[in-house]
Amino acid sequence: KAGVTQTPRYLIKTRGQQVTLSCSPISGHRSVSWYQQTPGQGLQFLFEYFSETQRNKGNFPGRFSGRQFSNSRSEMNVSTLELGDSALYLCASSFGQGGAPLHFGNGTRLTVT
Amino acid sequence: AQTVTQSQPEMSVQEAETVTLSCTYDTSESDYYLFWYKQPPSRQMILVIRQEAYKQQNATENRFSVNFQKAAKSFSLKISDSQLGDAAMYFCAYYPGTYKYIFGTGTRLKVLA
Repeated sequence: KAGVTQTPRYLIKTRGQQVTLSCSPISGHRSVSWYQQTPGQGLQFLFEYFSETQRNKGNFPGRFSGRQFSNSRSEMNVSTLELGDSALYLCASSFGQGGAPLHFGNGTRLTVT
Repeated sequence: AQTVTQSQPEMSVQEAETVTLSCTYDTSESDYYLFWYKQPPSRQMILVIRQEAYKQQNATENRFSVNFQKAAKSFSLKISDSQLGDAAMYFCAYYPGTYKYIFGTGTRLKVLA
């Protein structure tokens, strides 16, 4: 069974630009979550989608948005990039209920210059 | 606020010895789930162990076991017979059922040959 696939693996952008990250979950998983990982901060929750509906959202500015498609694939978008957005962005999928464990992708390393 | 605290930023252990990583969490919930994840240099987060709060019995997965103290809100991970491949960042996570997993800041484990 294929794992969670995130593309691209690395991304370099300039301040003010926007970026779209993609995530394909494990087949059969309907929940996709996004996390921002920075050194010393651990993983910060961005949002969670289940069957195209956002069920929870973290404390991030409106520049961070996401969506999920009918095939469970998900994208997150960051507009008007800031230097502080440089981080590893992790996508995780799960069955979405009962404390099911998250299955993570390899992440997208975003660098904003 | 629901928080997860890992008070040891870095730990070292000799190969073949035992090490315990600490995790405490703050919650007013009675039913929830706890996890330990491992993140090697490859960046992919891997589930190590999962504990359901309503189960008194401590979870065990081969050389990995937990000491779950619900009243103390403590969830430590014990790694027995440490191997070089155990070197990684370890994250403790808590799931209260709100579609949002809350992670600690991680403990970097070094295994000395």
